[in-house]
Amino acid sequence: AQKVTQAQTEISVVEKEDVTLDCVYETRDTTYYLFWYKQPPSGELVFLIRRNSFDEQNEISGRYSWNFQKSTSSFNFTITASQVVDSAVYFCALSEKGQAAGNKLTFGGGTRVLVKP
Amino acid sequence: NAGVTQTPKFRILKIGQSMTLQCTQDMNHNYMYWYRQDPGMGLKLIYYSVGAGITDKGEVPNGYNVSRSTTEDFPLRLELAAPSQTSVYFCASSYSRPGTGYEQFFGPGTRLTVL
Repeated sequence: AQKVTQAQTEISVVEKEDVTLDCVYETRDTTYYLFWYKQPPSGELVFLIRRNSFDEQNEISGRYSWNFQKSTSSFNFTITASQVVDSAVYFCALSEKGQAAGNKLTFGGGTRVLVKP
Repeated sequence: NAGVTQTPKFRILKIGQSMTLQCTQDMNHNYMYWYRQDPGMGLKLIYYSVGAGITDKGEVPNGYNVSRSTTEDFPLRLELAAPSQTSVYFCASSYSRPGTGYEQFFGPGTRLTVL
């Protein structure tokens, strides 16, 4: 069965510091998809990135970057020069291609990031 | 384009009462989902649907029922509410090509308390 582990439950940083969120996953499939979602204090879920298992290139989007390492089953997320608006809970999620239908997501437990001014 | 909408936003139920959480999407997505998020936890899948008339159980289906009579609507029914069903409920939808890993779009959530 697939599993996503986010070992860090809460990270507290001072504004402008970098913060890295760890995500480790387990899957039997050779083709799968990984996601990061942001849940700000208002409660909605905001999609940040999707990565498929055969594309190991790192990705950067503004202050956000993602490091996908298939060899260690990790998909880590770094916020550079953090800002107070980055304060949120961040979820890593996995979808297996092997599922016949549904693109169902398995979520990690989330990491709460608190950025202090 | 409203995306995924959910009603109500908040609800308090007494033990044993029943209610229906409404979910509608206007993106013509075939796939729809219901999740629950307990305090301080990640999301767990309750039920999902791959199209009108087709539904299936997720990880935590007990105590819930769903139906999908149209592409747009995917209501979640709680029968005989219990305190363990106190949670935030999220509806989501996505594009429908199998195995393509499309991201899910989430509604704003319904905060349910059972007393």
